[in-house]
Parts: sequence; structure tokens; C-alpha cells
Amino acid sequence: GAGVSQSPSNKVTEKGKDVELRCDPISGHTALYWYRQSLGQGLEFLIYFQGNSAPDKSGLPSDRFSAERTGGSVSTLTIQRTQQEDSAVYLCASSFTRDSNQPQHFGDGTRLSIL
Amino acid sequence: DAKTTQPPSMDCAEGRAANLPCNHSTISGNEYVYWYRQIHSQGPQYIIHGLKNNETNEMASLIITEDRKSSTLILPHATLRDTAVYYCIVRVERGSQGNLIFGKGTKLSVKP
Repeated sequence: GAGVSQSPSNKVTEKGKDVELRCDPISGHTALYWYRQSLGQGLEFLIYFQGNSAPDKSGLPSDRFSAERTGGSVSTLTIQRTQQEDSAVYLCASSFTRDSNQPQHFGDGTRLSIL
Repeated sequence: DAKTTQPPSMDCAEGRAANLPCNHSTISGNEYVYWYRQIHSQGPQYIIHGLKNNETNEMASLIITEDRKSSTLILPHATLRDTAVYYCIVRVERGSQGNLIFGKGTKLSVKP
């Protein structure tokens, strides 16, 4: 079946530009997570959506980062006025529910490079 | 947070079983053990998870000790495509996030 789909797979942009990253979760999954992975580093949690509840934004590193999830399905992560330290792989994961016995399934990420 | 300890690297001969250990001595009673792997330039791939009992699926087996302080992931017949970084994660049941906390993992190299 279809897994988590992310687009674009690669994005190169100039410092100061805004970027928008897209995530299509597995159909029927109510929980959606955004993480980022910097070169040689572990995964850093960014934001979490569960159904129609208010998102948990506690992992967002600055107010330049925001995310939406429309209709409980597709999510977009927006980074405004990008900086070089924003360069990383941005990963999206979804799970059937947020219960700890429900595995999260990841997309292959968007590799973001800020020049 | 419950934390895990894994060896940084392991080698395995192609066709042999790969046994990847993980220590999680501070695990709580309702916390699951998850295993993921990540192949270069791909997202983490879910392998298996368990609470108390041993688990098996089409990819691997998970053996959890009776005291739950350690576990072993077994790939029964390793292939070259199993070369990856393997992460053992204790899924913390706390707050409203449920996000995964990845450590450094074990880099498994399957050799012909």
C-alpha cells in the first residue's frame, strides 16, 4: 500500500527565502509528526498533529517555522526567511493513532539546502 | 526519559543471523521497545515493536528479557540490503506527543 509521501525530495534555495514542504500521510492515520535530521545527527521532533486537536508545537525551533494540517490529512511545513542552519532533512511520519503501541511510518524526507 | 544503549557498530556475514543487542535498564512497565532502521538517504523504516512478549514478523524477531531491561533484534538471514543503522527506541508514554527519540544506533555492516 501507499506509504508516507513527501515533496519535494530535494529543495535548494537562497538564504532569506521562504520554503514550503509537503507531507501526504498514510490514509486513515490520525497522528502526524514532523522531525528534522541534520547531517550526522539524530532526529529532532518539531511538531505533532492529532486529528482535529490543536497541534503540539513545542519542538519548533523558532517562530519562522509553522505547520498546518488541512482536513486532517495533508500537512505543510513552512519555513520563513530561511537561514543556513535550517539545512537538514525534514521527515514526516504518520501513525494510526498516537498510542504508544502504534508504530510511526516515515517518508523519505525533503533534503533542504540553504545557500 | 528511558534511554537505550547500543553498540556503535557490528559486522555480520551474509546469510547468517544478525543479533543486535539493546540495553534499556530504566524502562517503565507500560513503555514499548521499538526498532527502526535507516538506510542512507532514506527515512527511518519501522521494523518491529514489543512490550513484554517476544515478537516476530516478516522482517525480524524481537526477544525481550523477562526483566525487560534488555532486548535483541534478530535478522534471521542477513542480506547485503540489511546494511543500515539500527535504532532501538523506548517509546515514552508521557504528555501528548508520543514522539520518537532516536539515539545513535548500531551501524550494521553485512559482508559477502
